Amino acid sequence: GAVVSQHPSWVICKSGTSVKIECRSLDFQATTMFWYRQFPKQSLMLMATSNEGSKATYEQGVEKDKFLINHASLTLSTLTVTSAHPEDSSFYICSAPTSKRGGRFRGEQFFGPGTRLTVL
Amino acid sequence: AQSVTQLDSHVSVSEGTPVLLRCNYSSSYSPSLFWYVQHPNKGLQLLLKYTSAATLVKGINGFEAEFKKSETSFHLTKPSAHMSDAAEYFCVVSVGTSYGKLTFGQGTILTVHP
Repeated sequence: GAVVSQHPSWVICKSGTSVKIECRSLDFQATTMFWYRQFPKQSLMLMATSNEGSKATYEQGVEKDKFLINHASLTLSTLTVTSAHPEDSSFYICSAPTSKRGGRFRGEQFFGPGTRLTVL
Repeated sequence: AQSVTQLDSHVSVSEGTPVLLRCNYSSSYSPSLFWYVQHPNKGLQLLLKYTSAATLVKGINGFEAEFKKSETSFHLTKPSAHMSDAAEYFCVVSVGTSYGKLTFGQGTILTVHP
């Protein structure tokens, strides 16, 4: 199946610094990618939809100025956690759908392995 | 809006016995339903999906699920558990107009005893 990678797999940073997480589709083009957040022992929560060539769409309650998303190309989306604080510590996961017809996604989404962020 | 409820946070079975992971959904539109598995330190892997075709869906590794509209359920089953099935399982719903946005259930941790 299709492959989605994330880098780094884990990162530790000091409070107040910014951290960039990359999500790449390795063998297919993804005009849209999704960013999720997973707290320990909890489910995944959709944070935002990353759109190539346009602004990201954020879910309600997600601070767009804190979680900057840039869809730089058809294979790369980045999530930057700005001025990170300990409460931002979490597992961040991206996904990308591989097929789209008539404006609707069909079939499977492929997930990256996730990035564990720890803010000290 | 759509939502998913996984009825059990933990399920424990013995190797070789059947597995049942329960999922109920709520959706205003015809949903697409998925089961994903997450092994520790690995990405989510799709087990199977329902997208308005056959109501009994067969997936990988011997798993299957049945879409029951009258019960708004999409339970995951496997006739015989294997040690390698131990993982966390997520029931997921997607609605066509949401352009691929997925709503995840709370997850069910499956433990398999020898």
